[in-house]
Amino acid sequence: SYELTQPPSVSVSPGQTARITCSGDALPKQYAYWYQQKPGQAPVLVIYKDSERPSGIPERFSGSSSGTTVTLTISGVQAEDEADYYCQSADSSGTLPVVFGGGTKLTVL
Amino acid sequence: EVQLVESGGGLVKPGGSLRLSCAASGFTFSSYSMNWVRQAPGKGLEWVSSISSSSSYIYYADSVKGRFTISRDNAKNSLYLQMNSLRAEDTAVYYCAKGVGAPISGIYYFDYWGQGTLVTVSS
Repeated sequence: SYELTQPPSVSVSPGQTARITCSGDALPKQYAYWYQQKPGQAPVLVIYKDSERPSGIPERFSGSSSGTTVTLTISGVQAEDEADYYCQSADSSGTLPVVFGGGTKLTVL
Repeated sequence: EVQLVESGGGLVKPGGSLRLSCAASGFTFSSYSMNWVRQAPGKGLEWVSSISSSSSYIYYADSVKGRFTISRDNAKNSLYLQMNSLRAEDTAVYYCAKGVGAPISGIYYFDYWGQGTLVTVSS
């Protein structure tokens, strides 16, 4: 089965830049999407198609792609950004339309 | 305003069945693929199933294939998940999510999510 790999945790101080990576063999061929989930809440889409930002998402959230790795970057991290972040994509064979990464806990120190 | 409201969760014994519902409003339900995603307590997100707008295409995760059935009623703006032969490992919050694009199309993601309904499988 296809897997997307994320680091379990990332820690940054307020005002710094947080980078969360997601790796998968099919990422050069498939778009990646990112969701933010705060405790007790449903996930919220923060990046789609590798680097597009939905309306209402702050500009400090950005996405990029390079080979088999995609990266969610949060510039000028704020306390309210502390959350779990999940990447999502699909496999390249066409059999698995949705795969989630294991999630990354972002801690704002 | 898009709203997705799940219902039908609860406590069920192993081997039992449960039917989840998702009531949608605020968008043209019949035009969009819909999905179920679950999250076990303290764990990450796990995709469960997707159904295309006209129910022509249906996909399941291997972990639920043969036990769960996704369906929709476009006249009632509702999505369903029939869960049979439930196991302890099916214990999770089940989210209904609106799809953008079409599964296996190269572009497919979720722009709106419900608040979830908890399913607990325990004797």
